[in-house]
Amino acid sequence: DAGITQSPRHKVTETGTPVTLRCHQTENHRYMYWYRQDPGHGLRLIHYSYGVKDTDKGEVSDGYSVSRSKTEDFLLTLESATSSQTSVYFCAISEPLWTGDSYGYTFGSGTRLTVV
Amino acid sequence: AQTVTQSQPEMSVQEAETVTLSCTYDTSESDYYLFWYKQPPSRQMILVIRQEAYKQQNATENRFSVNFQKAAKSFSLKISDSQLGDAAMYFCAYRSNSGTYKYIFGTGTRLKVLA
Repeated sequence: DAGITQSPRHKVTETGTPVTLRCHQTENHRYMYWYRQDPGHGLRLIHYSYGVKDTDKGEVSDGYSVSRSKTEDFLLTLESATSSQTSVYFCAISEPLWTGDSYGYTFGSGTRLTVV
Repeated sequence: AQTVTQSQPEMSVQEAETVTLSCTYDTSESDYYLFWYKQPPSRQMILVIRQEAYKQQNATENRFSVNFQKAAKSFSLKISDSQLGDAAMYFCAYRSNSGTYKYIFGTGTRLKVLA
């Protein structure tokens, strides 16, 4: 009901293989973000998008790329997965101005990625 | 660059008691928002409370309240009458009101509630 879905919810992949995680929203929000969550580090920003085909790097972008060809979809790709990319990945959406009850980010339910 | 610090990796509280989680931040901006998020074992991120920096009054949401000290750059969360369902990771977050509106999170505090 939150209007944002992530897929897959869980994934196990081998070192060196490419992996794509998908974030889909139905809220028509302009801003979309990818974070990774690791113990002791909280949530760290990987990449974000401020419009179709407009993306930029966050603080931990090495080894990741993103694409946004439609407002509703924001893809995160690990070109060649490494064990250090084992993590929980969260997508979030936002609008710059508060509208009604739109306070803060809306988060997806997360993807647990394990690289073996 | 802005930073958010949560210095308590883990806290415990007895059921029905009160607990305070600490958060400090660093910024040179004057217009921003602060948030507390709760993450239960389900992994879902749930907004607990927010504070606009321009408001002097501390935000409250039922059993949850904040102590916002802008000059000290401190933003603590007080949970009153703690319940077993309050057990979770709690994240403090900062968001600028300009630029790309991205959030900066602290490292989290794990709250245990003892029956």
